[in-house]
Amino acid sequence: KAGVTQTPRYLIKTRGQQVTLSCSPISGHRSVSWYQQTPGQGLQFLFEYFSETQRNKGNFPGRFSGRQFSNSRSEMNVSTLELGDSALYLCASSRGTGIGEQYFGPGTRLTVT
Amino acid sequence: AQSVTQLGSHVSVSEGALVLLRCNYSSSVPPYLFWYVQYPNQGLQLLLKYTSAATLVKGINGFEAEFKKSETSFHLTKPSAHMSDAAEYFCAVSEGRTGNQFYFGTGTSLTVIP
Repeated sequence: KAGVTQTPRYLIKTRGQQVTLSCSPISGHRSVSWYQQTPGQGLQFLFEYFSETQRNKGNFPGRFSGRQFSNSRSEMNVSTLELGDSALYLCASSRGTGIGEQYFGPGTRLTVT
Repeated sequence: AQSVTQLGSHVSVSEGALVLLRCNYSSSVPPYLFWYVQYPNQGLQLLLKYTSAATLVKGINGFEAEFKKSETSFHLTKPSAHMSDAAEYFCAVSEGRTGNQFYFGTGTSLTVIP
């Protein structure tokens, strides 16, 4: 069974630009969660999508948004990039019902210059 | 509100020695607890999980953790450290009722000294 895949793996953007990251969950998983990982803040929850609906949301500004498609693939978008957005963005998938552990992708390393 | 505290951002042990990584949680409802490991430039891999069954949970790679409600703790242990255990370890809590919102600790970096 293929794991969670994230594209691209590395990205360099400049301040003010926008970026879209993609995540393909494990087959059969309907929940996709996004996390931002930085050395200073650790792992911070961005949002979770389940069956194309945002089910949970972390405490991030509106510049961070996401969506989920009918095949459960998810994208997250960050607009008007700031230097502080440089981070490893992790996507995790789970079945979405009951108490399900999350399976993580390798992440997208975003660098904002 | 739920939160996780991992005591000790860096832990060093000798190869063959006991590994003990500490995790304390706060939760207003019975929690579901997880330990994940992250190797450099990789995502997180699940080590083990507690979901209100047995309080002593065995995971992969010889790790285990014990849920102690009275101490609100879920410490991770391994009897004998191996060089390949060097990695970052994260404890996480989830309420498990309103979706899959996980709260992670800040992580503990484990160094294994040969």
